[in-house]
Amino acid sequence: DAKTTQPPSMDCAEGRAANLPCNHSTISGNEYVYWYRQIHSQGPQYIIHGLKNNETNEMASLIITEDRKSSTLILPHATLRDTAVYYCIVRVAGGADGLTFGKGTHLIIQP
Amino acid sequence: DSGVTQTPKHLITATGQRVTLRCSPRSGDLSVYWYQQSLDQGLQFLIQYYNGEERAKGNILERFSAQQFPDLHSELNLSSLELGDSALYFCASSILAATYEQYFGPGTRLTVT
Repeated sequence: DAKTTQPPSMDCAEGRAANLPCNHSTISGNEYVYWYRQIHSQGPQYIIHGLKNNETNEMASLIITEDRKSSTLILPHATLRDTAVYYCIVRVAGGADGLTFGKGTHLIIQP
Repeated sequence: DSGVTQTPKHLITATGQRVTLRCSPRSGDLSVYWYQQSLDQGLQFLIQYYNGEERAKGNILERFSAQQFPDLHSELNLSSLELGDSALYFCASSILAATYEQYFGPGTRLTVT
């Protein structure tokens, strides 16, 4: 699985859009970008995944650059409950093994 | 609520002991994964079972073992416990052996004294 680089921490004001970057410059053609988050010692929660097109679901949007070397997770209207560690993971489509978590980005939503 | 249940929530035991952690996957999910989260190692994949068979192995110690039963629940056995085994242990499940989304349980916090 390709390595990812994320900032260790970010702040965002409540109600604003939170934009979390992820660099994955060594991504292969068959690797997807996944995002999970972990709210204070709870089990990680799946957010979204994508290959090369932008994706949106009820939780977030995922923007992947055309060269696929980086991506941005967007939480459109951040709330205090979005304070969590966000993990960007790159792996082959439907990889049949465990997820490899890095250190992630600790997103703090400020009131 | 992910639909994955884990018991117990907390476990305190002494070094050298053996414990069993239990996981019930979401209804309909055939695959179960175990992860360990410690302060110094972060979230690490231990082992995966699919429909009763071991599917993939991660950084699981030889003192640890797991199994998945016919009703699809899984147990993680940790033996000869050491202080360094103190961690959060998460179970996750997915529909198939290879899927995009894994659903995590609330975890079991193990403290070895």
